[in-house]
Amino acid sequence: GAVVSQHPSRVICKSGTSVKIECRSLDFQATTMFWYRQFPKQSLMLMATSNEGSKATYEQGVEKDKFLINHASLTLSTLTVTSAHPEDSSFYICSATGSGAAGVSNGYTFGSGTRLTVV
Amino acid sequence: DAKTTQPTSMDCAEGRAANLPCNHSTISGNEYVYWYRQIHSQGPQYIIHGLKNNETNEMASLIITEDRKSSTLILPHATLRDTAVYYCIVKGGTSYGKLTFGQGTILTVHP
Repeated sequence: GAVVSQHPSRVICKSGTSVKIECRSLDFQATTMFWYRQFPKQSLMLMATSNEGSKATYEQGVEKDKFLINHASLTLSTLTVTSAHPEDSSFYICSATGSGAAGVSNGYTFGSGTRLTVV
Repeated sequence: DAKTTQPTSMDCAEGRAANLPCNHSTISGNEYVYWYRQIHSQGPQYIIHGLKNNETNEMASLIITEDRKSSTLILPHATLRDTAVYYCIVKGGTSYGKLTFGQGTILTVHP
């Protein structure tokens, strides 16, 4: 089936530094990537949608200059949290859709998530 | 996309069927019902989806009422590994638009 590899699974960074999270579609072309954020005991909140080769579309209230999304190829999308602060500590999850996804009957494949802790 | 309502939590005994309800009374004709689950600290996992007919796969069955205003996800023989948050999502058409997650149902399977 379709697989999305998300790295790193856990990262701890100092306040003020930047962190990059990668999502790769391993066996299909991810024409669209979705980035979510999840705080403890809460549901997933969509941050942005990116289409390959285009600028990302951010949800209301999400700072595009703080959460930089790059989707330059059909197999890789990155989320960079710039100048991270403790309130950015969260679980970040990507999801990909696209063509050629072997065995995918619903079209959405999720990464395993990245636990970001800013100290 | 239509809003969904699910119970906050449910319990189930191991080996028994788990029946998780979802209300989507404002669903429109071209909207599908999707079910995902999220085991603690992992990404969501697809379970099943349907439009109006009942669906079954190796993981679960989806029963959609005739008026499509509600549905039930059935895990026929729940195991401890089925303990997770289950999300019912309604999304329009088959285009790959965004999935919007509600609060979901916390299912706890007991020994």
